[in-house]
Amino acid sequence: DAGVIQSPRHEVTEMGQEVTLRCKPISGHNSLFWYRQTMMRGLELLIYFNNNVPIDDSGMPEDRFSAKMPNASFSTLKIQPSEPRDSAVYFCASSLAGEGTDTQYFGPGTRLTVL
Amino acid sequence: DAKTTQPTSMDCAEGRAANLPCNHSTISGNEYVYWYRQIHSQGPQYIIHGLKNNETNEMASLIITEDRKSSTLILPHATLRDTAVYYCIVRVLPNDYKLSFGAGTTVTVRA
Repeated sequence: DAGVIQSPRHEVTEMGQEVTLRCKPISGHNSLFWYRQTMMRGLELLIYFNNNVPIDDSGMPEDRFSAKMPNASFSTLKIQPSEPRDSAVYFCASSLAGEGTDTQYFGPGTRLTVL
Repeated sequence: DAKTTQPTSMDCAEGRAANLPCNHSTISGNEYVYWYRQIHSQGPQYIIHGLKNNETNEMASLIITEDRKSSTLILPHATLRDTAVYYCIVRVLPNDYKLSFGAGTTVTVRA
């Protein structure tokens, strides 16, 4: 099993540029989560999809952030325009909701640096 | 308003068992205890979870007290690769999809 796959692993960009992070969940999972981790705030849930539908996006910081899940095997998190305060590690996680345990499995993360 | 309390850090000798405590005195009857860990520069890794009974898998054992107010994660034979931050999380399934990681316990395994 390949696990959750994220790309790119590292991204360095300049303020004002558009950034797109990508995630491939574990095959067969029906829930997908985007988290952000910073030293100051720890791990925060940004958005949660179930069966490709956004269920909770209350953690999305502002309108500059958007997330899509066009199909069960792919999701993107886009930041436009990016700002230095967006620098963080972004994690994608997936789970099989309704299976009882609903355990979330995390990807390796994308380290984003906005200059 | 933290649901769990863990020590900030602990050391463990390589090859020995590591016992990681977690206090969750306000846990409700339908809340599970989950453990994750995060090795430096990696994503959080699921370890084990339980409701009432003790649980064991290939990574660790989870001991939950009878009153469920505390639990202990046991790594039976710690290796250097077990050095990580360990998080104890309580959650109601399936409603608590937002995992609250807290500060965790930084475990350092020494040779």
